[in-house]
Amino acid sequence: GAGVSQSPRYKVAKRGQDVALRCDPISGHVSLFWYQQALGQGPEFLTYFQNEAQLDKSGLPSDRFFAERPEGSVSTLKIQRTQQEDSAVYLCASSLALLALTDTQYFGPGTRLTVL
Amino acid sequence: AQRVTQPEKLLSVFKGAPVELKCNYSYSGSPELFWYVQYSRQRLQLLLRHISRESIKGFTADLNKGETSFHLKKPFAQEEDSAMYYCALSGRGTDKLIFGTGTRLQVFP
Repeated sequence: GAGVSQSPRYKVAKRGQDVALRCDPISGHVSLFWYQQALGQGPEFLTYFQNEAQLDKSGLPSDRFFAERPEGSVSTLKIQRTQQEDSAVYLCASSLALLALTDTQYFGPGTRLTVL
Repeated sequence: AQRVTQPEKLLSVFKGAPVELKCNYSYSGSPELFWYVQYSRQRLQLLLRHISRESIKGFTADLNKGETSFHLKKPFAQEEDSAMYYCALSGRGTDKLIFGTGTRLQVFP
C-alpha cells in the first residue's frame, strides 16, 4: 500500500518568504509527527498530532513555525518569514498509535528546504 | 536531560567482518530504544526495537541499563548493510522519538 507522502520534495525559498509543507499520512494512522533534520544531524522532533489535536508542539523552534491537521488526516507545516537557519529536511511520520506500546513510526521521504 | 549519543560518524569494515555501532542514552525513567536505518535514496525505516528482542537482517541490540547503552551488532557484515544508522529513544507515555546524530556504516567488498 501507499506509504507516507510529502510534497514538495524540494523547496527553495528566499529569506523572508513563507512556505507550506504538506504531509499525507498512511490511511487510518491516528498519530502524525513532524521532525526537522539539519545537515549531518539526526531528526529532531517538532510537533505531534493525534487525529486533529496537536498534543505536543514543544519542539517548534519559534512562533514562525505553525502546524495543523484540521481533519485528522493531511497535515501542513507552515514556516513564516523563513531564515537561513530553517534550511533542513523536514520529515513527516505517522503511526497507528495502538495504546499498548510506542507504535512504529513510518516516515515519508522528506521535504528538503533551502533558504537563500 | 534526554539524549542519545552515537560517538562514531563513520564506521568502515570489510565484508564478513563483525560490526558494532555504539549508542548510549541519557533518560530519567524507562525508555524504549530503537534502531532506524536509511539506505541510499530511501526513507528512514525501523530496523529493530529493544522490546521485541528480535534479530532483523542478522542485527541484534541488547539494552544494557547499567551502562545505558543499546549497541547494534552483526557478526558478519554484508555490502548491502551499508547505510546510515540512527539510534533513538522514546519515553513511556510519549511517542516522540529522540534521535542520535547517526553513524554511517560502509561495508567494503
